Amino acid sequence: GESVGLHLPTLSVQEGDNSIINCAYSNSASDYFIWYKQESGKGPQFIIDIRSNMDKRQGQRVTVLLNKTVKHLSLQIAATQPGDSAVYFCAEIPFYGQNFVFGPGTRLSVLP
Amino acid sequence: DTAVSQTPKYLVTQMGNDKSIKCEQNLGHDTMYWYKQDSKKFLKIMFSYNNKELIINETVPNRFSPKSPDKAHLNLHINSLELGDSAVYFCASSQAGLAGGYTGELFFGEGSRLTVL
Repeated sequence: GESVGLHLPTLSVQEGDNSIINCAYSNSASDYFIWYKQESGKGPQFIIDIRSNMDKRQGQRVTVLLNKTVKHLSLQIAATQPGDSAVYFCAEIPFYGQNFVFGPGTRLSVLP
Repeated sequence: DTAVSQTPKYLVTQMGNDKSIKCEQNLGHDTMYWYKQDSKKFLKIMFSYNNKELIINETVPNRFSPKSPDKAHLNLHINSLELGDSAVYFCASSQAGLAGGYTGELFFGEGSRLTVL
């Protein structure tokens, strides 16, 4: 069946450190991946995306890495700030996708 | 301006009741969705509409009935509510339709927290 995401429910990092949130996906044909951030009481918000023809993409303080060989996706957040505290989801769409498949989410807690 | 807005934000009701959640998007998107997020934060798609036509209907009890009067609105009606229906329901929209193979970025509403007592 479909499954996305390692069960890594909570990640705690010190403010100013870099954070790495990991995600495994199961469908080797998946073509498009997105990381979403969900703050408490809000809906998920787009952070960054990457297509399967790339292995790295950078945004502002965030980098997504895609390793198709081991079907692994990671989100790196540089200089983590208190405002980065949230639940982060990876989501994939298969090449002939019907819908996004979301991972189980990782809660990032930023310690002062 | 809220891009995807859904009402109500909170809904508390008794088992067996019928309730509706409304969603509107002002982004001009073709596709709208309903997702259910359980207590463990797991997000699962329920329905998708493209230009008022049902595209996805995942394994959801037929007590759940979506209605799309136009492409800017997608409402969710739930009959005979059960305890297990308690969750946060998210409406979302995207520009690209599923017929193209995959969708673009999803824009989510703030969620409607449904509590069934």
